[in-house]
Amino acid sequence: AQSVAQPEDQVNVAEGNPLTVKCTYSVSGNPYLFWYVQYPNRGLQFLLKYITGDNLVKGSYGFEAEFNKSQTSFHLKKPSALVSDSALYFCAVRDMGTGANNLFFGTGTRLTVIP
Amino acid sequence: NAGVTQTPKFQVLKTGQSMTLQCAQDMNHEYMSWYRQDPGMGLRLIHYSVGAGITDQGEVPNGYNVSRSTTEDFPLRLLSAAPSQTSVYFCASSYSREVGNSPLHFGNGTRLTVT
Repeated sequence: AQSVAQPEDQVNVAEGNPLTVKCTYSVSGNPYLFWYVQYPNRGLQFLLKYITGDNLVKGSYGFEAEFNKSQTSFHLKKPSALVSDSALYFCAVRDMGTGANNLFFGTGTRLTVIP
Repeated sequence: NAGVTQTPKFQVLKTGQSMTLQCAQDMNHEYMSWYRQDPGMGLRLIHYSVGAGITDQGEVPNGYNVSRSTTEDFPLRLLSAAPSQTSVYFCASSYSREVGNSPLHFGNGTRLTVT
């Protein structure tokens, strides 16, 4: 069965410092991997995805993520954090080995950028 | 563009009552889905549809019904509300029938409380 783990409920980082939000996954086949962001009282917004190709994926608002097959990870990164990046971040996976046409989301990581 | 519109934004029900959460999208998206978001559990898929007349169950379908009579609308019905259905409900849609090939677009959510 597919699963996603976001090991940190909360990540705090100072403005201007690099940030990392961690995600690991477990699938039976090839993964499609995604990051979404949720601002207060809003729905989730798409940031980036990995399906195939280059392991480093660039997305919206200066975010990027690196697919690491050996470590089954897909960590979200940004070189310089902004206060406006403070939000709830979700990693999601689709397991292409099962044929299930759905995304499985992690439990979310709350990012707080401190001015 | 309105995107994905959910109504109502808030709802309080008594145990045993029924209601319908409305979801409409104006982007001609084929894929539509309903998720519930609970603290510490992330988003869990309730039901989804890949086109008019086609629906399928997700991870937590019990207690919920859906139908897709048009491309635009995907209502979620609670037949007999229970306190365990207290949650925030999100409708999401995407252009592609295969989820992940195009980004999911989320509504702003419906906060449901069952007493």
